[in-house]
Amino acid sequence: GAVVSQHPSWVICKSGTSVKIECRSLDFQATTMFWYRQFPKQSLMLMATSNEGSKATYEQGVEKDKFLINHASLTLSTLTVTSAHPEDSSFYICSARVGGKDHEQFFGPGTRLTVL
Amino acid sequence: AQKITQTQPGMFVQEKEAVTLDCTYDTSDPSYGLFWYKQPSSGEMIFLIYQGSYDQQNATEGRYSLNFQKARKSANLVISASQLGDSAMYFCAMREGGNYGQNFVFGPGTRLSVLP
Repeated sequence: GAVVSQHPSWVICKSGTSVKIECRSLDFQATTMFWYRQFPKQSLMLMATSNEGSKATYEQGVEKDKFLINHASLTLSTLTVTSAHPEDSSFYICSARVGGKDHEQFFGPGTRLTVL
Repeated sequence: AQKITQTQPGMFVQEKEAVTLDCTYDTSDPSYGLFWYKQPSSGEMIFLIYQGSYDQQNATEGRYSLNFQKARKSANLVISASQLGDSAMYFCAMREGGNYGQNFVFGPGTRLSVLP
């Protein structure tokens, strides 16, 4: 299957700082990328859907001003957690979809964010 | 209302035996896709198997098969000949709206432990 990378794989930051997480599709072009967060021992919750060249669509309850998503190219989407607080500590996972095919969605390895 | 239900928070199986992980879903959309993912302790989401709502036959991928019962809205995952490396969290997921659907929902997951 296709490969999706995330960088960094883990990050620790102080409260109030901003953190940027990158999601790249390495060997294919992803028209749509998705950002999820996963709290310990819980399932993945979709945060937003990101389409290349347009604004992200956020799920209900997700603050768009806090979680900034930029999908500048067909192979890169970034999630910036602005003014991070301890409650933002979580596992963030991106996925990328090839074209419009239902099952061709590939997940990145995830980024573990810890806010002190 | 829960879109995806996984009633087994944890399951144990003896190595080399088969195990069935339950998944029921709720949708009024005639076009949808059902997925199973494996998440080991490393956190990465590994795609296992996919079933489209219009697929006539149950999906199979190696040791994985999906027992799709459309009328009952169930999509159970069957793992044959369990291996120690199968120990992980397993998530059932659904995308509504066919190939261009954006709504992708995960179930709460089932933790599978394979015993030697």
